Amino acid sequence: DAGVIQSPRHEVTEMGQEVTLRCKPISGHDYLFWYRQTMMRGLELLIYFNNNVPIDDSGMPEDRFSAKMPNASFSTLKIQPSEPRDSAVYFCASSLARTGRIGYTFGSGTRLTVV
Amino acid sequence: KNQVEQSPQSLIILEGKNCTLQCNYTVSPFSNLRWYKQDTGRGPVSLTIMTFSENTKSNGRYTATLDADTKQSSLHITASQLSDSASYICVVSSMDAGNMLTFGGGTRLMVKP
Repeated sequence: DAGVIQSPRHEVTEMGQEVTLRCKPISGHDYLFWYRQTMMRGLELLIYFNNNVPIDDSGMPEDRFSAKMPNASFSTLKIQPSEPRDSAVYFCASSLARTGRIGYTFGSGTRLTVV
Repeated sequence: KNQVEQSPQSLIILEGKNCTLQCNYTVSPFSNLRWYKQDTGRGPVSLTIMTFSENTKSNGRYTATLDADTKQSSLHITASQLSDSASYICVVSSMDAGNMLTFGGGTRLMVKP
């Protein structure tokens, strides 16, 4: 199993540009999570999906952030327009069951730098 | 408010030595506690997961303990290796609100030769 696959690994963009982060969860996992990690705030949950349906997006910072999961094998996190304070590492994770007994599996992350 | 506090924030030890990382939590109702290892530039990787009834769990040289009464957990690393240099994150899951995760701030461990 290739694990959770995220792309790109690194993204540098100018303020005001649209940024799209991509995630392919582990096949068969029915939960998908988007996290943001910064030195100041640690890991923060942005949004999570169950069976492709967004369940809780209360962690999404503002309307500039949106996430979609058009099918069980693909999700995107979009920031439009991007701002320097969005610079962080964005992780996608997937899980087989909400109880997470098997555990979450994280992707390698996308390091976003907005200049 | 659910919180997870880890200590120390950072730690430097010599290769071959043992160390213990601490995690205190105020998550309720408690579901499970996980320790993750995060190498620089990588995603967190699960080391152990413990439920309320489990008070110790080992994974190679890593041994986690859980005291559900005092709401404390520790991660003990035996005979440290250079590859143990990483951040170790304590994550507690709540049964409320659908098993949401609360992350600790992590302990950054550096193992020196």
